[in-house]
Amino acid sequence: EIVLTQSPGTLSLSPGERATLSCRASQSVSSSYLAWYQQKPGQAPRLLIYGASSRATGIPDRFSGSGSGTDFTLTISRLEPEDFAVYYCQQFGSSPYTFGQGTKLEIK
Amino acid sequence: QVQLQESGPGLVKPSETLSLTCTVSGGSIINYYWTWIRQPPGKGLEWIGYIYYSGSTTYNPSLRGRVTMSVDTSKNQFSLKLSSVTAADTAVYFCARDTGWSPGGFDYWGQGTLVTVSS
Repeated sequence: EIVLTQSPGTLSLSPGERATLSCRASQSVSSSYLAWYQQKPGQAPRLLIYGASSRATGIPDRFSGSGSGTDFTLTISRLEPEDFAVYYCQQFGSSPYTFGQGTKLEIK
Repeated sequence: QVQLQESGPGLVKPSETLSLTCTVSGGSIINYYWTWIRQPPGKGLEWIGYIYYSGSTTYNPSLRGRVTMSVDTSKNQFSLKLSSVTAADTAVYFCARDTGWSPGGFDYWGQGTLVTVSS
């Protein structure tokens, strides 16, 4: 099973700042099979990024993904108030699919 | 716009079987994978497994053979059964559309349903 470790656990930033979230895999993951999700309290997760760097439909261009192998990054260029949420990475290249434990992005 | 809606009992007794159904509207169940994910209160996401519209399945081994999924294309529904439940199975259960390897990711989700295991 591929273990995904996200860091930091909590990130405290202000609106307008840049956020950088990390996802490290216990073994290599094909870039094609890495996704990022955003989850707000009481809601289902929302797909942000697939294929490590492609934005899902309707996702603003301030969200970007990068990385390969075992190290992946989600960057939010300029934080908007609605971006404060929990973010999960996921690999679906090998079964069982796994998620990281999440990074909580909170308002400073 | 594709929409998914979970339905089923919100309370299940220990050792019994949890049964949930996901109804898909606004699109066909054909040609897609359909997946179940759960989230214990205050915790992260766990993938349970997926079913292809044809009926082929892949499950998370962590659930040790307790999972069964089925699909009914005539009703545009797919279902989850989890047997021998314990308190550790208390969670919000989500159904989602799995786009497979291309383009990838779970692009449509149900709102989730809380299932509590308690006597």
